Amino acid sequence: AQSVTQLGSHVSVSEGALVLLRCNYSSSVPPYLFWYVQYPNQGLQLLLKYTTGATLVKGINGFEAEFKKSETSFHLTKPSAHMSDAAEYFCAGRFTGANSKLTFGKGITLSVRP
Amino acid sequence: DAGVTQSPTHLIKTRGQQVTLRCSPKSGHDTVSWYQQALGQGPQFIFQYYEEEERQRGNFPDRFSGHQFPNYSSELNVNALLLGDSALYLCASSLWEGVYNEQFFGPGTRLTVL
Repeated sequence: AQSVTQLGSHVSVSEGALVLLRCNYSSSVPPYLFWYVQYPNQGLQLLLKYTTGATLVKGINGFEAEFKKSETSFHLTKPSAHMSDAAEYFCAGRFTGANSKLTFGKGITLSVRP
Repeated sequence: DAGVTQSPTHLIKTRGQQVTLRCSPKSGHDTVSWYQQALGQGPQFIFQYYEEEERQRGNFPDRFSGHQFPNYSSELNVNALLLGDSALYLCASSLWEGVYNEQFFGPGTRLTVL
């Protein structure tokens, strides 16, 4: 079955530390992949996306992600965490034949300690 | 350029009642998708509308129905509400013929069923 997996539900880092949020997909054909951020009581905001081409994708707010087909992964990173990065992060995939339907992971809550 | 808008923001209903949620897509978009986000979970695809027809449907019962109007706006109807229908309902718009069919999300409607 086509799916997106985000292991763990909560990540806590210190301000200024590296942020690493993991995402893996399950599919014989790699999907288009997306990372969204959700702040409390708000909708989803697109951070970045991988469709084709360069496997290292840069997004907003200093985030980037690397698509690795051999590892079926699309992990999100940020070199230096800021307090304002505290939010819920969702990885999503658009699989072949799904038109624009997105399949989401369960999400990861990022906390940033001062 | 107005983004995706949803109404109402919050809604409280009791079991067995019916509810209608509304969505206006981003200017220029012709496709509307609805997602249900239960507390602590990632969004789950409900269905998608294009040209006033349901084009794709997720694993939701027939109590969930929708409609798309000629101006591309959409409604989500839920009949015979259950406690488990309490969730954030997200609307997303996109272009049917878009290259990557990127979805833009609204702020959501928070439905509480008592």
